[in-house]
Amino acid sequence: GQNIDQPTEMTATEGAIVQINCTYQTSGFNGLFWYQQHAGEAPTFLSYNVLDGLEEKGRFSSFLSRSKGYSYLLLKELQMKDSASYLCAAMDSNYQLIWGAGTKLIIKP
Amino acid sequence: GAVVSQHPSWVICKSGTSVKIECRSLDFQATTMFWYRQFPKQSLMLMATSNEGSKATYEQGVEKDKFLINHASLTLSTLTVTSAHPEDSSFYICSATGTGATEAFFGQGTRLTVV
Repeated sequence: GQNIDQPTEMTATEGAIVQINCTYQTSGFNGLFWYQQHAGEAPTFLSYNVLDGLEEKGRFSSFLSRSKGYSYLLLKELQMKDSASYLCAAMDSNYQLIWGAGTKLIIKP
Repeated sequence: GAVVSQHPSWVICKSGTSVKIECRSLDFQATTMFWYRQFPKQSLMLMATSNEGSKATYEQGVEKDKFLINHASLTLSTLTVTSAHPEDSSFYICSATGTGATEAFFGQGTRLTVV
């Protein structure tokens, strides 16, 4: 079956770095997405990886290893506003997104 | 980036009435639209997938006669919650993709409260 695993909750300190991991199993693969979702709001797009390697975008970077079915989202210089849920989603061969349950990130001063 | 507009943002309705939620793609042709439901502190739950001009494909456990989905054009899909009950109170979110798109664009979401 298709499955996405990511930690339920993580805590980090303002100004620090945090890495949120995601493993996936899908029928076919057309890319891995990371979304940020603040409570009560719709998700917002952060990154898309379809090739192996690291994609850097400002304070946020995303990594993909297709052979391992593994991705991570790296957040640097954490700010309080980064407190949110981070959703990992893999796109299968039918271009359907398979969603993880989300990782709630708590930032402490 | 592409914009998906979802309306209304929030709605309160009486039990037994029906509510329609609209999802519009403003600057691209949405060949596929997805409807999600999200309960508090839970992840997105896919309810159905609709392709323009075709009947929607519903996920297991989602009543197709209760959650009516129409995707009659490449820019508009609607979700109608019929005979709403308090347990249908939730956050409903649509997303859309276009031909060859590598990203799903989300609407703003609709907070439905049934009293």
